[in-house]
Amino acid sequence: GAGVSQTPSNKVTEKGKYVELRCDPISGHTALYWYRQSLGQGPEFLIYFQGTGAADDSGLPNDRFFAVRPEGSVSTLKIQRTERGDSAVYLCASSLADREEQYFGPGTRLTVT
Amino acid sequence: AQSVTQLDSQVPVFEEAPVELRCNYSSSVSVYLFWYVQYPNQGLQLLLKYLSGSTLVKGINGFEAEFNKSQTSFHLRKPSVHISDTAEYFCAVRAYNDMRFGAGTRLTVKP
Repeated sequence: GAGVSQTPSNKVTEKGKYVELRCDPISGHTALYWYRQSLGQGPEFLIYFQGTGAADDSGLPNDRFFAVRPEGSVSTLKIQRTERGDSAVYLCASSLADREEQYFGPGTRLTVT
Repeated sequence: AQSVTQLDSQVPVFEEAPVELRCNYSSSVSVYLFWYVQYPNQGLQLLLKYLSGSTLVKGINGFEAEFNKSQTSFHLRKPSVHISDTAEYFCAVRAYNDMRFGAGTRLTVKP
């Protein structure tokens, strides 16, 4: 079956611009996670959704970052006024329920110039 | 909160040699432990996981890991590596819905 998909695979934007990153989880998975992976580092937790609601957004670095999952399936990570330090690979994962195995997408590589 | 330390950032090894990738963790609560592999330009793939029960866990591609509670370790091992095992390996620890990853170990298998 289809795995977790993320679009775009690569995004280059100028400092100060707004970007949206999309995650399409595995069908039927109720839990969805966003992570950020900087060069040479492991993934860093950003936010977790259970259904439509953000159950834990403690990993979002500041109020420029926001994520939604309006229908409990696809999720969008939104970054306002991008900064060069936001450059990283943004990973999405989903699981059948919370505390179950997480399946990761290929990531979106964001480069802020 | 829990944390993970991967003790080696890079591990070079010759083909068919054994390998051990080291992982230590800290947590004040019970945790689940995982090893993921990341091939270039691909997402993370689960190698194996420890949830409970036997402390020796077998995973895909011939990898295994042993949970040692007293040493708070979860080292990954393979008795004989292949060129195709060249990748980045991440140890992770999860308490409730909070998953923390180590910085990764780059395994390079040379012919």
